[in-house]
Amino acid sequence: GESVGLHLPTLSVQEGDNSIINCAYSNSASDYFIWYKQESGKGPQFIIDIRSNMDKRQGQRVTVLLNKTVKHLSLQIAATQPGDSAVYFCAENLSGTSYGKLTFGQGTILTVHP
Amino acid sequence: EPEVTQTPSHQVTQMGQEVILRCVPISNHLYFYWYRQILGQKVEFLVSFYNNEISEKSEIFDDQFSVERPDGSNFTLKIRSTKLEDSAMYFCASSPGQGFTYEQYFGPGTRLTVT
Repeated sequence: GESVGLHLPTLSVQEGDNSIINCAYSNSASDYFIWYKQESGKGPQFIIDIRSNMDKRQGQRVTVLLNKTVKHLSLQIAATQPGDSAVYFCAENLSGTSYGKLTFGQGTILTVHP
Repeated sequence: EPEVTQTPSHQVTQMGQEVILRCVPISNHLYFYWYRQILGQKVEFLVSFYNNEISEKSEIFDDQFSVERPDGSNFTLKIRSTKLEDSAMYFCASSPGQGFTYEQYFGPGTRLTVT
């Protein structure tokens, strides 16, 4: 079935460190993945996305890695800042269409200490 | 930058009452969605909407739920007879539905509290 899971981790880092947040997905047919950031009391905010025909995609201070062999997705945040403290969700689109629903994982709480 | 807006930010209602949650999607977007998030849990898909009809709905979206796009800008979610377990954050999202990205843009949410 459809399942994207983060196994309820929390991550605590010092400001300036690099952070890595992991996500396991179970449906090998998923073709599109997104990382969202959610701050307290706000809606999910897009960070970066990746298609299944890619292994890596970079944005500003963030990199997403996709390992289809083991169905694993990771988000790397370089030089983590206190403003990065939030819950991070991975989400997948199974449908192969640009309008398909997103299936979200459980979320990882990232806390950045100054 | 265009954004999805939602009203109200917080809605308190009694069990059995009807509620309407309102959203204004980004103006040139074609696809609209409702998701919900029970406190401390993951975001769950409820329904997607395109061309004035439902594209897909989850098993959560039963006969008590309905969506409507009453005019060219608003997108609403109605819960006919609320239950305690409907208490959650409800997020509206919209998507252009084309191009490289399948990104869905989320609103700030409406916190629904059913007492």
